[in-house]
Amino acid sequence: EPEVTQTPSHQVTQMGQEVILRCVPISNHLYFYWYRQILGQKVEFLVSFYNNEISEKSEIFDDQFSVERPDGSNFTLKIRSTKLEDSAMYFCASSKGQIKTYEQYFGPGTRLTVT
Amino acid sequence: KNEVEQSPQNLTAQEGEFITINCSYSVGISALHWLQQHPGGGIVSLFMLSSGKKKHGRLIATINIQEKHSSLHITASHPRDSAVYICAGPLGYNTDKLIFGTGTRLQVFP
Repeated sequence: EPEVTQTPSHQVTQMGQEVILRCVPISNHLYFYWYRQILGQKVEFLVSFYNNEISEKSEIFDDQFSVERPDGSNFTLKIRSTKLEDSAMYFCASSKGQIKTYEQYFGPGTRLTVT
Repeated sequence: KNEVEQSPQNLTAQEGEFITINCSYSVGISALHWLQQHPGGGIVSLFMLSSGKKKHGRLIATINIQEKHSSLHITASHPRDSAVYICAGPLGYNTDKLIFGTGTRLQVFP
């Protein structure tokens, strides 16, 4: 069964460094998402992406964050200058269509630790 | 404030018991998602529903759009059902921004 993959599974970085989290969505999916979950807290929406552009973003997704679909398969989240509070599990998800109609498929997550 | 609330926060059960987890939301939605988060952190979609009832194996999800309420039921619970169950909805009719509940931690003992 097709699945969403994410790399790396765990990333440790120093405050102020740039990180890129990578995701490979399911191949025939058109909508892509990033979420984060700070330890012990609920999952939070970061951004949705469709047709090569951001369709929605949350207040968390400030100028330090960017997303890109550099080729036909990868979907990346970049954090330009990491802060301690960026430490969290980051989940990528994809769906065939809008979430009012289609289920989302989640990747296994990347645990980001900022020291 | 747009919210998704779940109850209970924690639930323990003996194997075989019937489980109900509740979810309520503050504004009209187009669809509600039920998700399962495993102890290792991975998230699996269980249901997406916009009306009525869906069943998959021992899991049943219902939604009442007018009352802004959904329930997830597990029949004949098993220790492998132990996980965090999360409801999430795009609050509003023309948004893809999912708002998540805080989750219900279920532990089923043999």
